[in-house]
Amino acid sequence: DGGITQSPKYLFRKEGQNVTLSCEQNLNHDAMYWYRQDPGQGLRLIYYSQIVNDFQKGDIAEGYSVSREKKESFPLTVTSAQKNPTAFYLCASSTGGASNYGYTFGSGTRLTVV
Amino acid sequence: AQSVSQHNHHVILSEAASLELGCNYSYGGTVNLFWYVQYPGQHLQLLLKYFSGDPLVKGIKGFEAEFIKSKFSFNLRKPSVQWSDTAEYFCAVTAYNNNDMRFGAGTRLTVKP
Repeated sequence: DGGITQSPKYLFRKEGQNVTLSCEQNLNHDAMYWYRQDPGQGLRLIYYSQIVNDFQKGDIAEGYSVSREKKESFPLTVTSAQKNPTAFYLCASSTGGASNYGYTFGSGTRLTVV
Repeated sequence: AQSVSQHNHHVILSEAASLELGCNYSYGGTVNLFWYVQYPGQHLQLLLKYFSGDPLVKGIKGFEAEFIKSKFSFNLRKPSVQWSDTAEYFCAVTAYNNNDMRFGAGTRLTVKP
C-alpha cells in the first residue's frame, strides 16, 4: 500500500539533545512537509521541500533542520536550540506543481522532552 | 503568506442537529481551500476541497462547504450530524500554484448520542 511512514511513534529526548524524526513516502510525491501540532494551535508549518535537494523554511523553522537527499525521505532534526520541542509532529506529502490535490499525512511522532 | 481563522474552538451538538463550522482566510490572490478531519487516534483525512468552478463543493460523509469569495470564507456544513462525526476539523488554504498549506487552529466537534 502507498503511504507515508513516520517513525518512531513516540520519542523521548533529554534537554540539550538533538533528535531526528523519520518520514518516508512511497507515493512518488515530489513535495514533502513537516508540521507541528499543538492543542488549540492547529498545524504550523516547519519546513517544506518541493524537489530533492531543495527545501524552504515555514512559519516556525527556528530550532529545526531538514534534508532532502532522496525523493522518498524528508527527515526532521529537532535541535537543542528549539525552546519548546514537546509536541506532535506530522509529515505530509503531495504531488508538486499547481495540481495540489491536498496532502497525504503520516500517523505522526509524539516527541516529549524529559 | 496566507492564513486561516476558525471561529469555533469547540462545538457540542446532539445527533441530527445541523452543523456549520466557520472558516475565514487571509490572502489577496487566488486560493485553493480544504477541510480536513482528524478522528480520535487517526490520521488527518481530506473531507473536501475547492479549486475552482462551483463554489458549493460536496465531500465525503455528507459534508459540504461553500466558498464565498467576497467574504473570504469557506464554511463547512452538514445537515444532520451523527455521533461518528465526533472529531477535530481543520480548514486549510494554499495560494494558487503554491503547495505550502496553512491550517486553522481546528474546531473540536462533539456529537452527543
